[in-house]
Amino acid sequence: IAGITQAPTSQILAAGRRMTLRCTQDMRHNAMYWYRQDLGLGLRLIHYSNTAGTTGKGEVPDGYSVSRANTDDFPLTLASAVPSQTSVYFCASSDSPQGGELFFGEGSRLTVL
Amino acid sequence: GQNIDQPTEMTATEGAIVQINCTYQTSGFNGLFWYQQHAGEAPTFLSYNVLDGLEEKGRFSSFLSRSKGYSYLLLKELQMKDSASYLCAVLDSNYQLIWGAGTKLIIKP
Repeated sequence: IAGITQAPTSQILAAGRRMTLRCTQDMRHNAMYWYRQDLGLGLRLIHYSNTAGTTGKGEVPDGYSVSRANTDDFPLTLASAVPSQTSVYFCASSDSPQGGELFFGEGSRLTVL
Repeated sequence: GQNIDQPTEMTATEGAIVQINCTYQTSGFNGLFWYQQHAGEAPTFLSYNVLDGLEEKGRFSSFLSRSKGYSYLLLKELQMKDSASYLCAVLDSNYQLIWGAGTKLIIKP
């Protein structure tokens, strides 16, 4: 039982580089989310998707983009990384866009130098 | 603005009971969640409250008072493995989750 798989688990990259964090779920959940988690702050929503083919902006979307071509995959792209994007990124899914238990991936630790 | 408050850190003794409080001010309310997050790991679901009262699940219980904008998570018979951060999150009127910063619980032998 895989649940949600994120890749890479950890990455260091230079400022200005493009980076895509991958997220795949095998639970056939409709809703998917990308959060960032920084020390002393709550989880902050970057982008979300209520169903395949649709996406929406969360609390901190600037500098990030997402796509949802199918139910299973929800990649997050940093077009030109900046040091303030150093964080731990969590992908999550839920069977209902209107609330419900979230299932999280193991996280991707990103360091931008 | 929307706000979730919970203590930053708490310490308790193995075998004891601890109560972690969460107060919230949000635009509407569609439920409150508690998640557990061990260091370096992903959050995992503990409980969901949408009606006032106490929900018990084994050693863990969660309480909600919507009129007071208040919830607590009660952990009984503490074990060392309960050392983790506990995250409170509220589902607002737009079905967006608003997260607290989390309470780091340290269990001492």
